Amino acid sequence: EAQVTQNPRYLITVTGKKLTVTCSQNMNHEYMSWYRQDPGLGLRQIYYSMNVEVTDKGDVPEGYKVSRKEKRNFPLILESPSPNQTSLYFCASSLVAGASGANVLTFGAGSRLTVL
Amino acid sequence: DQQVKQNSPSLSVQEGRISILNCDYTNSMFDYFLWYKKYPAEGPTFLISISSIKDKNEDGRFTVFLNKSAKHLSLHIVPSQPGDSAVYFCAASYNNNDMRFGAGTRLTVKP
Repeated sequence: EAQVTQNPRYLITVTGKKLTVTCSQNMNHEYMSWYRQDPGLGLRQIYYSMNVEVTDKGDVPEGYKVSRKEKRNFPLILESPSPNQTSLYFCASSLVAGASGANVLTFGAGSRLTVL
Repeated sequence: DQQVKQNSPSLSVQEGRISILNCDYTNSMFDYFLWYKKYPAEGPTFLISISSIKDKNEDGRFTVFLNKSAKHLSLHIVPSQPGDSAVYFCAASYNNNDMRFGAGTRLTVKP
């Protein structure tokens, strides 16, 4: 089944304790991205990657790191989590469409993170 | 700076009637607009899209209308069904690498 898999789905942690949210896709997609969803703000892009070893900042990159060493994996790293990073996180991937196509994203099921 | 805005946090409609979800944007460079649907405890799923060179795209019960001069798009669902109850996100992109989402509208379709 074609899918984007995120882990963990739920996590409660404490301020300053490094954590990684993994993301893996099995569709050979070039483009991958991380979003956070907060009430009243919708989905905001944290980082995205157009291909292996290519990553760029989105709208809210502060406090996050990513890496894209393999095409299928795009982990999100919180080096020193803070309470304002409590949120619902989504990983997404897509084929990079040509000039005639929309970039349709396939999303993971989400990871709910609470930082105390 | 929210470039994509959904000003109605919620909408309630009777089964069988039309649901109209609205979205406004500020960036005239957007070249594609998409709607995603999200059920609780799941990720958003793609519903329908429209290119900026078109003003209408239809897929079954779902139609998206684009008014470029007003920087406004809308999603029409006819007829609405209880299974359509979900949060709907409007999204816009340019250059295929920067997708902006609205805050979402929670649609409730009452039987």
